[in-house]
Amino acid sequence: DAKTTQPTSMDCAEGRAANLPCNHSTISGNEYVYWYRQIHSQGPQYIIHGLKNNETNEMASLIITEDRKSSTLILPHATLRDTAVYYCIVRPRDDKIIFGKGTRLHILP
Amino acid sequence: NAGVMQNPRHLVRRRGQEARLRCSPMKGHSHVYWYRQLPEEGLKFMVYLQKENIIDESGMPKERFSAEFPKEGPSILRIQQVVRGDSAAYFCASSPGQGASGYTFGSGTRLTVV
Repeated sequence: DAKTTQPTSMDCAEGRAANLPCNHSTISGNEYVYWYRQIHSQGPQYIIHGLKNNETNEMASLIITEDRKSSTLILPHATLRDTAVYYCIVRPRDDKIIFGKGTRLHILP
Repeated sequence: NAGVMQNPRHLVRRRGQEARLRCSPMKGHSHVYWYRQLPEEGLKFMVYLQKENIIDESGMPKERFSAEFPKEGPSILRIQQVVRGDSAAYFCASSPGQGASGYTFGSGTRLTVV
């Protein structure tokens, strides 16, 4: 049972920021928010994770609301290679990952 | 620093044969996870193993499927007497098992049953 809700699909123009929302209203205090993506036919790729503070790395930024019930993954300058299915996952550390349906992001030239 | 290695990349088996899928975790990773992805569907958790132990096999079909992660060597996912419905991509992931780190996934094995 996925504990997150994501839009089925989104479009974003190349070069613009892609903002992918995720609702996780039943998140527990010990659960982290993780984002992965799967580019067609490839293995899933880890993007970023956080507990309650905003996080940034070379790939993306993760904004978590103060009540932790939702988050947004930001790809600052989307390219065609960012076209993929993006998965938002909540889990306690050291627990298995359960994937939901994710958001299919299309980057438009 | 090699990533998670899965082999073979592609495997074709006739109905009734056995399929063996191998996964070598990243160096220093002692936890392995197997997932299955049927065509046009999502990733489904199958099994979680540590060295010589099955920790969680709640996603494994009750029959014909087994997994191991021996003290030496790769993790093996074994499917006996394959059927057409076993055709899928099988992904392996590994983690160090401590802390909040994410998994690293392999490129998968595409199993086709003819």
